Amino acid sequence: DTGVSQDPRHKITKRGQNVTFRCDPISEHNRLYWYRQTLGQGPEFLTYFQNEAQLEKSRLLSDRFSAERPKGSFSTLEIQRTEQGDSAMYLCASSHSRLAGTDTQYFGPGTRLTVL
Amino acid sequence: DQQVKQNSPSLSVQEGRISILNCDYTNSMFDYFLWYKKYPAEGPTFLISISSIKDKNEDGRFTVFLNKSAKHLSLHIVPSQPGDSAVYFCAAVEYGNKLVFGAGTILRVKS
Repeated sequence: DTGVSQDPRHKITKRGQNVTFRCDPISEHNRLYWYRQTLGQGPEFLTYFQNEAQLEKSRLLSDRFSAERPKGSFSTLEIQRTEQGDSAMYLCASSHSRLAGTDTQYFGPGTRLTVL
Repeated sequence: DQQVKQNSPSLSVQEGRISILNCDYTNSMFDYFLWYKKYPAEGPTFLISISSIKDKNEDGRFTVFLNKSAKHLSLHIVPSQPGDSAVYFCAAVEYGNKLVFGAGTILRVKS
């Protein structure tokens, strides 16, 4: 399977704990995105990397959230001091930048976070 | 303020008939749109896209129509199959390649 993979698929944690999610993009995709989806809504953009550089962060990404892509391959998303409002599906997507036109983002299965 | 709106939360269609899913947007700067399908416990799967230089794009049973003046697009599925039952998301590409999604429409295809 050469699609986008995410780990873990499910995470249950207590309020105040830190959690870290991992995303492995499609091989040779140089762009990687994180989105968050809550019940009844579409995914919302969180942040975006091109290679190892984090090019944009949404205002949804409070200072408790940090994302890295150290070698331009896999990425991690960490949430510190989790709150119940952080409960959501966290989706990762990757794409290959094109010289012209818009690249298509391909999504992983997501990590469902439940904060008790 | 939602920039991409899918005003029908759900749609039910008989197998073999046409499914039409609608999407409206408010930002006239959007010039590329995508449709994704999502099954429970899976991530969104890319279906079809359209650039604003076109008004129609076809891929097998799926056709997307774009009306720029009305800021409206629609996805037609013909013929609908039970396996098409899923949540369908419309998305627009904003600057920086980030996607702006609608809230989704649940499609149920009855056999």
